[in-house]
Amino acid sequence: EAGVAQSPRYKIIEKRQSVAFWCNPISGHATLYWYQQILGQGPKLLIQFQNNGVVDDSQLPKDRFSAERLKGVDSTLKIQPAKLEDSAVYLCASSSRPGINRDPYEQYFGPGTRLTVT
Amino acid sequence: AQKITQTQPGMFVQEKEAVTLDCTYDTSDQSYGLFWYKQPSSGEMIFLIYQGSYDEQNATEGRYSLNFQKARKSANLVISASQLGDSAMYFCAMREGRDSGYALNFGKGTSLLVTP
Repeated sequence: EAGVAQSPRYKIIEKRQSVAFWCNPISGHATLYWYQQILGQGPKLLIQFQNNGVVDDSQLPKDRFSAERLKGVDSTLKIQPAKLEDSAVYLCASSSRPGINRDPYEQYFGPGTRLTVT
Repeated sequence: AQKITQTQPGMFVQEKEAVTLDCTYDTSDQSYGLFWYKQPSSGEMIFLIYQGSYDEQNATEGRYSLNFQKARKSANLVISASQLGDSAMYFCAMREGRDSGYALNFGKGTSLLVTP
């Protein structure tokens, strides 16, 4: 089974520029999450999708961040315009029911996109 | 308020020794899940172990075990027989119930260094 795919793996941009990240979840996984991990901290949820609907975007800075999940599969996260404090790793994760012998809502993480804003 | 607290920013352990990484959590839900993830320098989040709030026995996965003390709201990770490859960041996380959308709340992590 293929894992969660993300691209690009690395991105360097200047402040005020725009950037977009792409995520392809595990096939059949209805729930998709975007997390932001600033250096030295744990990941923080930005947005959660259930199929193509938003479940939680309370921590998404909506003045500059946007995300969509068209057709309930792939997702893109966009930052426009970027600020220095957006430098972080952006992690995509997906989960699905029914459960296995672990938590039924276990999340599988992609490799992340490391964004550097200069 | 912080839902997951990891009080040890960094830990050292000698190879082949056991080490305990601390984690306390805060929730009013009756049903929740606790997770530990390993994040090596390459950046991927590697699932290690899971404990459900209704599980009566402590979870074990190979060299990893979770010391779950529900009344104290603690979920410490024990790594037995440490190996050099265990050097990484370790994150404790909690999944709460329906109202929170099942997303994970992570602690700030503990950096573990295993020395020869």
